[in-house]
Amino acid sequence: NAGVMQNPRHLVRRRGQEARLRCSPMKGHSHVYWYRQLPEEGLKFMVYLQKENIIDESGMPKERFSAEFPKEGPSILRIQQVVRGDSAAYFCASSPFQAGEQYFGPGTRLTVT
Amino acid sequence: KQEVTQIPAALSVPEGENLVLNCSFTDSAIYNLQWFRQDPGKGLTSLLLIQSSQREQTSGRLNASLDKSSGRSTLYIAASQPGDSATYLCVLLEASGSRLTFGEGTQLTVNP
Repeated sequence: NAGVMQNPRHLVRRRGQEARLRCSPMKGHSHVYWYRQLPEEGLKFMVYLQKENIIDESGMPKERFSAEFPKEGPSILRIQQVVRGDSAAYFCASSPFQAGEQYFGPGTRLTVT
Repeated sequence: KQEVTQIPAALSVPEGENLVLNCSFTDSAIYNLQWFRQDPGKGLTSLLLIQSSQREQTSGRLNASLDKSSGRSTLYIAASQPGDSATYLCVLLEASGSRLTFGEGTQLTVNP
């Protein structure tokens, strides 16, 4: 059973471009969580999704950021018109049910130049 | 709003020493508490998970305790090794079961 997969592992974007981060949960997991770790800071919750539904997006910036978890395929975290302050490591986690143990992916390190 | 504090922020010890990492939290309405390790530039590895009804968990040289009433958890590492060098994160799952709140971490260095 493969673990949580994230791609790309490293992503470089110029200011103003779009960034798309993908997360494939563990097999059988229908709950996905996104976290962001800014340089020299701790991880912060961004959004919690179940298949086709956003359950809690209270940690996500109101503008430029969006997330989805379609019926088929990976969860996508999308950042439009990136700025330097978006440079961070973005981690995805999945669990088999709400309040289940969360398993983390290796993260995507986004660098905005 | 839940706040998680970890003390110390950094710790350097000689190999073989037993050590304790501390975590405190402000809201005792938690579902569970986990200790993770994070290696530089890498993801998170879960070490121990304590359900809110439990007092402690053990795995090998690691022992984690939970005292919900006082809002504290400790991670005890016995006979530390250089391979234990990493950042250790105390992480709470809030009672609603929807989000994790992370401490800032304790950066541990074990010197050979």
